Parts: sequence; C-alpha cells; structure tokens
Amino acid sequence: AQSVTQLDSHVSVSEGTPVLLRCNYSSSYSPSLFWYVQHPNKGLQLLLKYTSAATLVKGINGFEAEFKKSETSFHLTKPSAHMSDAAEYFCVVSSLGGYNKLIFGAGTRLAVHP
Amino acid sequence: DTGVSQDPRHKITKRGQNVTFRCDPISEHNRLYWYRQTLGQGPEFLTYFQNEAQLEKSRLLSDRFSAERPKGSFSTLEIQRTEQGDSAMYLCASSLGGGMDTQYFGPGTRLTVL
Repeated sequence: AQSVTQLDSHVSVSEGTPVLLRCNYSSSYSPSLFWYVQHPNKGLQLLLKYTSAATLVKGINGFEAEFKKSETSFHLTKPSAHMSDAAEYFCVVSSLGGYNKLIFGAGTRLAVHP
Repeated sequence: DTGVSQDPRHKITKRGQNVTFRCDPISEHNRLYWYRQTLGQGPEFLTYFQNEAQLEKSRLLSDRFSAERPKGSFSTLEIQRTEQGDSAMYLCASSLGGGMDTQYFGPGTRLTVL
C-alpha cells in the first residue's frame, strides 16, 4: 500500500531564511507525488507534482522538491521564506488504479516569523 | 474564476439529524472526489465519480453516507443520523480526467455535530 510520512508536524523559520519540509513515501511501484498547501479558510492548492519525469520539480511561489528514490524522499524546499508562506503543507502520493486517488500525509504547519 | 464550489461552507447540526452537502465541480471536469479532513489530519479519500458513475467508495463511508452525481455535473453527499464523530471538513475536488491529472479542491464544508 502507498503511504507518506511527513517528518515534522511543525516547522518555524524566519522570513528570508530557507524552508525545508520533509516527506518520506512508501510505494511498491514508481509513485506520483505531490505537495499541496492549505491556507486558513481556503481550499487546497497544488504546489507541484512529480510524475516520473525530471527528479527536481519546480512549483509555484518559488517552491521545489526533489524525488530521491534511493532515500524514498520527496522533500519540499524554498530558498527564502515569505510571511505569506505560513500555511499547512501536505505531501501526497497517488494510489494505483488509474484515477489518481490521493493519499495525504498528516501535514506540516509552517510558521514564518518576521 | 470558476473553481470548485461547495455549499454550505459551514453546517451545525444536532446528533441524529440528516445533512446534505453540495459540490459544483469545474465545468467539463468528469472526475469528482470527496475527501474528509478531521482536525490535525490530512484529508482522507471517501469516494470517486467518473461522470455519473460512482466507481469507488472508501471503507470510511459507512451505510449512513451516500453520494450522488446524477447528471455527471454537481454532486451531493448526504449523511443520515449524524454522529459527533462525523464532525469534520468535507472536501470536494474535481479533475479533467486522464492519468495523473491535477485535482482542484473546493473550500470545503465544515460540519459540526452537537
């Protein structure tokens, strides 16, 4: 069965410093992986997705993630945090079946301090 | 912006009452998904429609839950005889279809069962 584990439930950074949100996945096949962001009172928004093309995936708002098969990881990074990045971030793996049922991690809450 | 819309945004009900939520997907999206998100957790898959056909139901969807998508457009999710454990955010997503396509999420309906 497919699953994802987000290694940190909370991450706190200062504005302008790098962001690292960690995610490990478990899958018996080559997975499709996603990062979604959820701002308060807003819907989930796709940041980026990996679907077996380039292992370094660039997303919106300066975020990127690197797929590392040997480490079964898909960590999300951003060089410089903005106050507006404060939100809940979810690492997601897609299930088998052909229709893209999403399996979410528990989430990482990112706080950005001035 | 005609994204996914959900109605109502908030619902407070008493235990034992029936509730119904509506989801309007993005026009021409033939896939529609329902997820449930409890406090501090990532969303969990409930059910999936391809056009009007309900193709998968999670074990989370007990007999008290029913979902429909009568004309392959909007969808409803009904919960009968609500229980306090049903309190959660109910999320709807839609996608165009085809492989690992992107799911676009609505803002959710927050259900509180007293």
